[in-house]
Amino acid sequence: DAMVIQNPRYQVTQFGKPVTLSCSQTLNHNVMYWYQQKSSQAPKLLFHYYDKDFNNEADTPDNFQSRRPNTSFCFLDIRSPGLGDAAMYLCATSTGLTSTNEKLFFGSGTQLSVL
Amino acid sequence: QKEVEQDPGPLSVPEGAIVSLNCTYSNSAFQYFMWYRQYSRKGPELLMYTYSSGNKEDGRFTAQVDKSSKYISLFIRDSQPSDSATYLCAMTFGAAGNKLTFGGGTRVLVKP
Repeated sequence: DAMVIQNPRYQVTQFGKPVTLSCSQTLNHNVMYWYQQKSSQAPKLLFHYYDKDFNNEADTPDNFQSRRPNTSFCFLDIRSPGLGDAAMYLCATSTGLTSTNEKLFFGSGTQLSVL
Repeated sequence: QKEVEQDPGPLSVPEGAIVSLNCTYSNSAFQYFMWYRQYSRKGPELLMYTYSSGNKEDGRFTAQVDKSSKYISLFIRDSQPSDSATYLCAMTFGAAGNKLTFGGGTRVLVKP
């Protein structure tokens, strides 16, 4: 089945130690998103790629970076994780077409813990 | 004031009851409205998708949009314990590449 796959499901890192989360998709969608979701809160968009075009949200800290080497894969790099970065990180995709781009398909998320 | 307001709950109902969820929003430019279901420690799953005002039904789920009141609703008929989850409303302006604005989610518990 076509889907959005995130690895790992659970990630533990140390304060200040760089960490990379990965996302892959078999939907062949143009757009890939990274969201941060803290407990009992709405998902917060960090950035998205429309094909190779990177779009950063204005309030996303510089500590968060992303790479999209090809259509299928997208990575979230946290350069120096702080305790406040502990959260669920959700990858999502959409077609990017005007009439249907609003439908996002999410992966199962990576739960990040920072010790 | 948040752009999209949603009661966090929890909303507890007995099995078989109708679950009624709603969101209010402040920006009249929103055109597309969605409901996502999110089980614990999982990603959100798209349940319902509607454009502009009106009703849409899909099995046990009915979504309503009232743009004049800036109010959307989701009804779940004949609720099951498997419906226990957090329900997130989301909306967008509809332009290409436009991001979703989410509500904070309502936690629903359906008791057997």
